[in-house]
Amino acid sequence: GAVVSQHPSWVICKSGTSVKIECRSLDFQATTMFWYRQFPKQSLMLMATSNEGSKATYEQGVEKDKFLINHASLTLSTLTVTSAHPEDSSFYICSASSGEVSYEQYFGPGTRLTVT
Amino acid sequence: ELKVEQNPLFLSMQEEKNYTIYCNYSTTSDRLYWYRQDPGKSLESLFVLLSNGAVKQEGRLMASLDTKARLSTLHITAAVHDLSATYFCAVESDSSYKLIFGSGTRLLVRP
Repeated sequence: GAVVSQHPSWVICKSGTSVKIECRSLDFQATTMFWYRQFPKQSLMLMATSNEGSKATYEQGVEKDKFLINHASLTLSTLTVTSAHPEDSSFYICSASSGEVSYEQYFGPGTRLTVT
Repeated sequence: ELKVEQNPLFLSMQEEKNYTIYCNYSTTSDRLYWYRQDPGKSLESLFVLLSNGAVKQEGRLMASLDTKARLSTLHITAAVHDLSATYFCAVESDSSYKLIFGSGTRLLVRP
């Protein structure tokens, strides 16, 4: 149980275009989803927290207009990187929590974004 | 602000040796997680430690939590090459359920 998927697993896009990444909880309802970014050989940095049906809460320093997060249902959250630039190239990982038994987060497999 | 410090950052050890990775955190929390990450992959959950004095073991790995000292350890016993990976601890914020990650320990087990 507690499986989280992400799509796509990798994407290459040109500078200035937008990219959407999907995060799905496959076998549970996720009241909260989290988006992380990881640069090579670095740790995971939380970008934002989203609760179903409400606006995402962004961490300090994360541009909310650039990284659009939508948590439209209890099984789906999307991250859209708008007007991507090479410095946005990173490994994006989502996690989901049901908040029922505990707030343990279950991590997706990640999406590698390369902006050329 | 919750801060999590992990050490060492890099650990090269021989097979069959024992070693410990340390995770210190700065404010009160009762939930600490250990994860493994292989190159190019996402996180694999290893241990969930939910209370003071918690100790969990799986194979050659054992994790413990001392909430009073704000310290967790991940002990490796008789290391094998398959344990080579990056290990992260993460502490859950008491107020918001956010996870704050340590910097990670890159473990290389040499024959």
